[in-house]
Amino acid sequence: DGGITQSPKYLFRKEGQNVTLSCEQNLNHDAMYWYRQDPGQGLRLIYYSQIVNDFQKGDIAEGYSVSREKKESFPLTVTSAQKNPTAFYLCASSIEGQGYYEQYFGPGTRLTVT
Amino acid sequence: AQSVTQLGSHVSVSEGALVLLRCNYSSSVPPYLFWYVQYPNQGLQLLLKYTSAATLVKGINGFEAEFKKSETSFHLTKPSAHMSDAAEYFCAVSPPLYSSASKIIFGSGTRLSIRP
Repeated sequence: DGGITQSPKYLFRKEGQNVTLSCEQNLNHDAMYWYRQDPGQGLRLIYYSQIVNDFQKGDIAEGYSVSREKKESFPLTVTSAQKNPTAFYLCASSIEGQGYYEQYFGPGTRLTVT
Repeated sequence: AQSVTQLGSHVSVSEGALVLLRCNYSSSVPPYLFWYVQYPNQGLQLLLKYTSAATLVKGINGFEAEFKKSETSFHLTKPSAHMSDAAEYFCAVSPPLYSSASKIIFGSGTRLSIRP
């Protein structure tokens, strides 16, 4: 089945450590996205990539880094510079429909930093 | 620029009652509109989408939405709420392909609670 996988589902880290969240898709989508979600809040865009080897900052990129070396993979690194890293992280990819973008989401990774 | 506004961060209805979740959009071009549902600790799942064909769009789980250009609205409805409908619902708008904007814009979400 085609889809987006994020691993692990739950991740625990100590403060000061970098951590990398995995996102893989087998939908053959060009564009991929990372969002952060905090309790009771909507989605905030961290980074997005429209094509391999290219990516752009979203609204809250500080303290995060990404790479896009392969079409199917878009890992997100949460660095120690991110002041409040504990959150639910969602990866998405999008397909180009008849004139619009349609986004599909992975199951998410809940990161807890203590 | 495009935007969506969801009215009401929390809506509570009784089981069997009508569900109405409100979404208004702002767009200088014909919009492409979506509703997503998110269950606790899960990703977002596409419920339905409006892509300029029929103004009344039917989706999964008995939900539907009507595009009203005169009211710039795309409200989500379900005639009879079920306990399993309890979730967070997001309205979203997509920019046209190859425009200067390439990001889908999401509303802030509405949490739907169902009372037994």
